[in-house]
Amino acid sequence: GAVVSQHPSWVICKSGTSVKIECRSLDFQATTMFWYRQFPKQSLMLMATSNEGSKATYEQGVEKDKFLINHASLTLSTLTVTSAHPEDSSFYICSAGTLAKNIQYFGAGTRLSVL
Amino acid sequence: EDQVTQSPEALRLQEGESSSLNCSYTVSGLRGLFWYRQDPGKGPEFLFTLYSAGEEKEKERLKATLTKKESFLHITAPKPEDSATYLCAVQGTSGSRLTFGEGTQLTVNP
Repeated sequence: GAVVSQHPSWVICKSGTSVKIECRSLDFQATTMFWYRQFPKQSLMLMATSNEGSKATYEQGVEKDKFLINHASLTLSTLTVTSAHPEDSSFYICSAGTLAKNIQYFGAGTRLSVL
Repeated sequence: EDQVTQSPEALRLQEGESSSLNCSYTVSGLRGLFWYRQDPGKGPEFLFTLYSAGEEKEKERLKATLTKKESFLHITAPKPEDSATYLCAVQGTSGSRLTFGEGTQLTVNP
């Protein structure tokens, strides 16, 4: 149980285009979903926290208009990187949790390369 | 501000050579301390949650312990498949966010 699916696993895009990443909890309802960014040889940095049906809470320094987060249902959250630039290239990982069980389960991550 | 420091940064062991990884933390009210395993190019895989000092949890060759200031992940007779980066994270009572350490990259040679 507690499977989180993230798609796509790898995406290459041109500078200026937008990219959408999906995060789904497959066998449980996620009251909260989290989006992280990870640079090589570094740890996970929280970008934002989203609760189903409400606006996401962004960490300091994360641009809301650039990283659009939608948490439309208890099993799906999306992260859209708008007008991507090479400096946005990174490994993006989502996680999902529930109030009942205070554990975050992670997706497999999405490698974004912006040319 | 919650802080997590892991040591060592990297650890090389021979198969069967037991050792421990350290996670030192400061948090304003501990709600939980979490250990995850991360393989290259993958998301973290949940291992353990510890909630209070003195608590211990075991899973196969891994055992996690917790004090008021630090946590240890003991690896007994490791195998090459235990090679991964081990991440420690804390969650304070103020919210649901996790603060991660930089991780310990473990390599177990056959």
